[in-house]
Amino acid sequence: DTGVSQNPRHKITKRGQNVTFRCDPISEHNRLYWYRQTLGQGPEFLTYFQNEAQLEKSRLLSDRFSAERPKGSFSTLEIQRTEQGDSAMYLCASSLGDREYSPLHFGNGTRLTVT
Amino acid sequence: AQSVTQLGSHVSVSEGALVLLRCNYSSSVPPYLFWYVQYPNQGLQLLLKYTTGATLVKGINGFEAEFKKSETSFHLTKPSAHMSDAAEYFCAVSEGGRRALTFGSGTRLQVQP
Repeated sequence: DTGVSQNPRHKITKRGQNVTFRCDPISEHNRLYWYRQTLGQGPEFLTYFQNEAQLEKSRLLSDRFSAERPKGSFSTLEIQRTEQGDSAMYLCASSLGDREYSPLHFGNGTRLTVT
Repeated sequence: AQSVTQLGSHVSVSEGALVLLRCNYSSSVPPYLFWYVQYPNQGLQLLLKYTTGATLVKGINGFEAEFKKSETSFHLTKPSAHMSDAAEYFCAVSEGGRRALTFGSGTRLQVQP
């Protein structure tokens, strides 16, 4: 169990640029989640996948955000035309099983700074 | 709709003192409740969870929490704080078949020597 891995750890970009983050979940975990966390707040749900299917998206997820999980393995989160309000920590988590109470295993996050 | 309120964004205790971190939730159906801990520069880790059954739940590192339906609360306690408990603690709720958790805004615990 190598844990959930996220890359890069930090990303600084200029407003208007596109960015892509990667998440490698714990192998055999069928569920993968993306959350966003800003300073002084708890994580906010963005989207989740069961295997390769994207089953739920938050209303927070504007059309500039897109996530994929090809073949049900790693996932990418892309933000197009970044805005300063997108600056946050982006967290990925994975879990095994079908229950609502299956524990989430979080990565260390990707910190995005939009200048 | 579900929501979580954590009272007190910062809590400071002395080493060896009781730790009490408060969490209240709103949910239209019986919820699943969780406490996660986040140490600096690390991801969130599950401390404990309540699903069904016994309302007093024990977790890792000596923490426990009690589900009180009548008070819609799930407060986290530890009898004796240790310096290593200094971290940010998040209460979270899941309900209605949703797989996504709703987190509270967190409580930063400081432990004074």
